[in-house]
Amino acid sequence: KAGVTQTPRYLIKTRGQQVTLSCSPISGHRSVSWYQQTPGQGLQFLFEYFSETQRNKGNFPGRFSGRQFSNSRSEMNVSTLELGDSALYLCASSWGGDFNEQYFGPGTRLTVT
Amino acid sequence: KQEVTQIPAALSVPEGENLVLNCSFTDSAIYNLQWFRQDPGKGLTSLLLIQSSQREQTSGRLNASLDKSSGRSTLYIAASQPGDSATYLCAVRSNTGNQFYFGTGTSLTVIP
Repeated sequence: KAGVTQTPRYLIKTRGQQVTLSCSPISGHRSVSWYQQTPGQGLQFLFEYFSETQRNKGNFPGRFSGRQFSNSRSEMNVSTLELGDSALYLCASSWGGDFNEQYFGPGTRLTVT
Repeated sequence: KQEVTQIPAALSVPEGENLVLNCSFTDSAIYNLQWFRQDPGKGLTSLLLIQSSQREQTSGRLNASLDKSSGRSTLYIAASQPGDSATYLCAVRSNTGNQFYFGTGTSLTVIP
């Protein structure tokens, strides 16, 4: 079956702009989590959505937001982009239970200039 | 706050060697621990998932163990191959706050 897909794969934005990233989970998975990966901070948890509700949230400013649709697809939005937001953004899907395995997408590489 | 550490940060071995990667975490209140590999510029590929009640999991040449009480996990790779070259990451799902925490990874190079 198809894996986790993320669009777009690459994105270049200017400081101050906003950006929306999309993630389509594996069919049947109801949980989508988002992560930011940078060379300095490694992989950091942004938030998790389950059945259209945000279930958990990491320690990121309010400029980072997300949502999940009824078909479990999720979007992540970053407003007022800063240079430090340049990163690889990864999403992962799972069935939704606390003990479930996570499956990752290929990521979106965001560059802020 | 949960902290996850991986040692060593980088490892270079000749092909055919058996090797061990280490992962330690500070809070034993976890649901599970998952090992991943990441190729440069790519997403993460799941290797093994160990539930908090389990001691080890095996898949092919890979074996992962978990000692929750001491906050440690090891990933054993048998008969390493050049295709195993990648960064290996461990992640724990903490049941305090229900968040995922990743280690900083071990960069493995297997020399033909």
